[in-house]
Amino acid sequence: DAGVIQSPRHEVTEMGQEVTLRCKPISGHNSLFWYRQTMMRGLELLIYFNNNVPIDDSGMPEDRFSAKMPNASFSTLKIQPSEPRDSAVYFCASSLNFAGGPDTQYFGPGTRLTVL
Amino acid sequence: EDQVTQSPEALRLQEGESSSLNCSYTVSGLRGLFWYRQDPGKGPEFLFTLYSAGEEKEKERLKATLTKKESFLHITAPKPEDSATYLCAVPLGGATNKLIFGTGTLLAVQP
Repeated sequence: DAGVIQSPRHEVTEMGQEVTLRCKPISGHNSLFWYRQTMMRGLELLIYFNNNVPIDDSGMPEDRFSAKMPNASFSTLKIQPSEPRDSAVYFCASSLNFAGGPDTQYFGPGTRLTVL
Repeated sequence: EDQVTQSPEALRLQEGESSSLNCSYTVSGLRGLFWYRQDPGKGPEFLFTLYSAGEEKEKERLKATLTKKESFLHITAPKPEDSATYLCAVPLGGATNKLIFGTGTLLAVQP
């Protein structure tokens, strides 16, 4: 079975440009998570969806970040405008949410974003 | 405040030299603890879930244990291919699916 798929794997852009990261969760999973990983702060949850609905976006750093999940098999994380401090590796993870949890999250390979 | 702390930050072992990694946590009402392995340039790979104090799980040279305040990942007779960053994570209190991750232990096993 295919795991979590993310694209692009690497993105280099200039400050002020719009960046869109994409994620396809594991088929049948109903929860999706966006994380950011940096050396300084480690792995941080940005937002998570359950059944395509955003449940908690308290980790989204500011209004420049937005995330959508239009259907069960696709999600995007958008940064507009991008800034050098957004440079990081962004991971998408998915899980099958049972009532009572906790659920095991399975991670994609990540997108390495560099903002010049 | 909910927190996960891992130690040591880095560990260098000789092949065959057994050791343990520590993950301590302060979360009310622990609902589980996860261990992941992360190789450079890759996403975290799930290893184990532990649900209650006293529980143990094994996979090849790895054994994870859980107490009321911490978890250990024991590595027996490690090989160079065990070199990776090992992350632990716990769910926040309540019904949320949010995980708090530790900063990881970078393990290097030298032949």
